[in-house]
Amino acid sequence: EVQVVETGGGLIQPGGSLRLSCAASGFTVSSNYMSWVRQAPGKGLEWVSVIYSGGDTHYADSVKGRFTISRDNSKNTLYLQMNSLRAEDTAVYYCTTAYSSGWGYWGQGTLVTVSS
Amino acid sequence: QSVLTQPPSVSAAPGQKVTISCSGSSSNIGNNYVSWYQQLPGTAPKLLIYDNNKRPSGIPDRFSGSKSGTSGTLDITGLQTGDEADYYCGTWDSSLSVVVFGGGTKLTVL
Repeated sequence: EVQVVETGGGLIQPGGSLRLSCAASGFTVSSNYMSWVRQAPGKGLEWVSVIYSGGDTHYADSVKGRFTISRDNSKNTLYLQMNSLRAEDTAVYYCTTAYSSGWGYWGQGTLVTVSS
Repeated sequence: QSVLTQPPSVSAAPGQKVTISCSGSSSNIGNNYVSWYQQLPGTAPKLLIYDNNKRPSGIPDRFSGSKSGTSGTLDITGLQTGDEADYYCGTWDSSLSVVVFGGGTKLTVL
């Protein structure tokens, strides 16, 4: 069974850093396109970043230069390193993997709250 | 302001049909596949449609998708109260090199 589980969220002060993890089972992270998508409270979905099976990465303009997506093949885990966090980064962060042209498997999400 | 435009809300009675539109441009929907997601209250999004009109295993055929030019459409027939949710379209934008989502449409089954 395919499953992804996000961890690492929490309360962090503005300007701080946090690393989110997404542990995958039932498939190989390095063989799939993987994305982070976030959802601010009461708002819609906002794509954050993608890493392709070949290793190429892309970022939303809102996080470019502050967030880094990566993976650990030995742990079959996806990461999102978030630096210089701002209040507007407050959201539930979802890990998801591609299903053809769509995003087919989603975790339950992890809440990141940026506040002093 | 989302790159893809969806109506904020739609409504219909149980058993009826509803259509949700998703308008984009040549750099996104016009040259890429459209996918659709259902998000029930308090849960993660769920893939309903991929590659414009394909359903993952387990998705009822009451849900169907189509694409024409720079717009995508999600049709839901035989509406049920359990279909009340937020629906999002998504695609790749070739000019921006980013994934884009619509702003979401709240479906109310009256």
